[in-house]
Amino acid sequence: AIQMTQSPSSLSASVGDRVTITCRASQDIRNYLGWYQQKPGKAPKLLIYAASSLQSGVPSRFSGSGSGTDFTLTISSLQPEDFATYYCLQHYTYPLTFGGGTRVEIK
Amino acid sequence: EVQLLESGGGLVQPGGSLRLSCAASGLTFSTYAMSWVRQAPGKGLEWVSTIGRSGDNTYYADSVKGRFTISRDNSKNTLYLQMNSLRAEDTAVYYCAKWAVSGRGNYFDYWGQGTLVTVSS
Repeated sequence: AIQMTQSPSSLSASVGDRVTITCRASQDIRNYLGWYQQKPGKAPKLLIYAASSLQSGVPSRFSGSGSGTDFTLTISSLQPEDFATYYCLQHYTYPLTFGGGTRVEIK
Repeated sequence: EVQLLESGGGLVQPGGSLRLSCAASGLTFSTYAMSWVRQAPGKGLEWVSTIGRSGDNTYYADSVKGRFTISRDNSKNTLYLQMNSLRAEDTAVYYCAKWAVSGRGNYFDYWGQGTLVTVSS
């Protein structure tokens, strides 16, 4: 199975900060990667698909980049509603695998 | 508006069985692959299983293979997960999710609210 190593596992940041989260795949997954945001007690929400495509309705401060094995989710200016946990998901092959998650907390 | 509504969760003893359902509305159910994703308390997301549009193709995580069975009834717009030989480590919130396939990429674009399965004696 492809392993997705996500880092950091948690971070503290202030409103307005630029935040970067990375995911590394254990093998080449081309651009078969999505990013999801999850708030406590809620279902995950799609932010980015195909590594860099912004899902409709998602604010443009979110962006994704990368291909192959290294991927990045960037929040250009952190907003209060962005404090949540973020997960990457590879769908290059089964079993689908999520990264371990990054909890973004208020500094 | 697409809605996915899970049901069937609850408390079950180790070794027991449970069947989860996910009722879909607001979409042409038969044209989408569907999946189950779970989340143990305080833990991350774990993909469990996916079923193709017609039900012919199914995929499972190693952790549930041979114990769980995914199925669907397109006439009822409903997805199922039959869970047998349940273990304490199967305790989780189980989400159903719609798998979108587009020319630009594939992704889970709609999720249910989740149903909690607790395996305990």
